[in-house]
Amino acid sequence: QKEVEQDPGPLSVPEGAIVSLNCTYSNSAFQYFMWYRQYSRKGPELLMYTYSSGNKEDGRFTAQVDKSSKYISLFIRDSQPSDSATYLCAMSANYQLIWGAGTKLIIKP
Amino acid sequence: EPEVTQTPSHQVTQMGQEVILRCVPISNHLYFYWYRQILGQKVEFLVSFYNNEISEKSEIFDDQFSVERPDGSNFTLKIRSTKLEDSAMYFCASSEGRQGAYEKLFFGSGTQLSVL
Repeated sequence: QKEVEQDPGPLSVPEGAIVSLNCTYSNSAFQYFMWYRQYSRKGPELLMYTYSSGNKEDGRFTAQVDKSSKYISLFIRDSQPSDSATYLCAMSANYQLIWGAGTKLIIKP
Repeated sequence: EPEVTQTPSHQVTQMGQEVILRCVPISNHLYFYWYRQILGQKVEFLVSFYNNEISEKSEIFDDQFSVERPDGSNFTLKIRSTKLEDSAMYFCASSEGRQGAYEKLFFGSGTQLSVL
């Protein structure tokens, strides 16, 4: 079983839709959970981070962590074509980040 | 906004040759990292560097790899004898504090290394 699993997509939705991106993980020691956005030919950019379980909201983005299910989500409201990118989850227990494979998101105008 | 810069953006080399990838981290950051991403695969941690020494490294970072901060601004990754499987996008990153807990990593745009 992979340590972090993420559906690679692509996920294609119309502009304005609510997007749900997800990762599952197997290591119950993970405490810190992050979402990065990566545009084509660019490095990852941190979008959201959360500690342990719960929700965190920042503008159109909401991150959720369910440690009991070992499941994290990123929701994007009112999606825009500029949100088209690859979204990577990353998590850590110590000081090494373990990454998901990334989900390619396409927002159609 | 300050950014991490990497050069070159593309590097083509022959198998067995040495390559040096260069990075200029953000000036007030203390922790520096190299990651790589093989096309279509996950981002993989290679090494972290703090206070002029390696603080963590992964299994990928074997004796063929080395890192150096030759002066106050540059941070380099050297691959001594490149293999075909070293072909990947190499990302440099830096942060104010140690990665993992609330630390925002700033990534460069990457160097695409192609080993022929």
